[in-house]
Amino acid sequence: HVQLQESGPGLVKPSQSLSLTCTVSGASISSGGYFWNWVRQHPGQDLEWIGYISYSGRTIYNPSLRSRVIISVDTSQNQFSMELSSVTAADTAVYYCTGDSGASGIGSFEFWGQGTLVTVSS
Amino acid sequence: DIVMTQSPASLAVSLGERATINCKSSQSVLYSSNNRNYLAWYQQKPGQPPKLLIYWASTRESGVPDRFSGSGSGTDFTLTISSLQAEDVAEYFCQQYYETPYTFGQGTKLEIK
Repeated sequence: HVQLQESGPGLVKPSQSLSLTCTVSGASISSGGYFWNWVRQHPGQDLEWIGYISYSGRTIYNPSLRSRVIISVDTSQNQFSMELSSVTAADTAVYYCTGDSGASGIGSFEFWGQGTLVTVSS
Repeated sequence: DIVMTQSPASLAVSLGERATINCKSSQSVLYSSNNRNYLAWYQQKPGQPPKLLIYWASTRESGVPDRFSGSGSGTDFTLTISSLQAEDVAEYFCQQYYETPYTFGQGTKLEIK
């Protein structure tokens, strides 16, 4: 049973970087077939896919955020992380880490963390 | 980007009655090589993350009650709850995973009448 847990600061100042980590249990992050994603949900309920890192380390980002986001993996800790630079109030959202095994198609999110609210404010 | 449009934005249905939510994509999400629609449905209850209900447009995720069903192909899809239960009160989202960036509908809020 795969479980995900986000961690990171709940408050970030404008123009700074937002860094979040997702700890994976129940699966090896480098297991073949798995894709690890970040998704955010703005206060108005809209869900936005940020990007993924695959089991092989390949990354794909949403073009709307590509210039500001980096997703990386730490296999020794079985974690993956996201860094979003130059944040503004528009980046205030609940951030979820998600995973899919590919069984239901790459990009359908079988596993979700509980989410962490990040507020951008001075 | 593929734009996903859901309707209605909110829906009130009596217990035991049928609930129907529609989702339309701005382009087809049917992959011709495997004849699969790359369309998923999620249920989100307050304070919880979304939960995958349906994938490939019509395949129920393990453990999802059979009162939930998905249908449609190409650009038009439907999520049906055949007999609404109190625990089905939630927000429902469709999502395409045909291509990146993956995109979601704006959600449908389902309530009890």
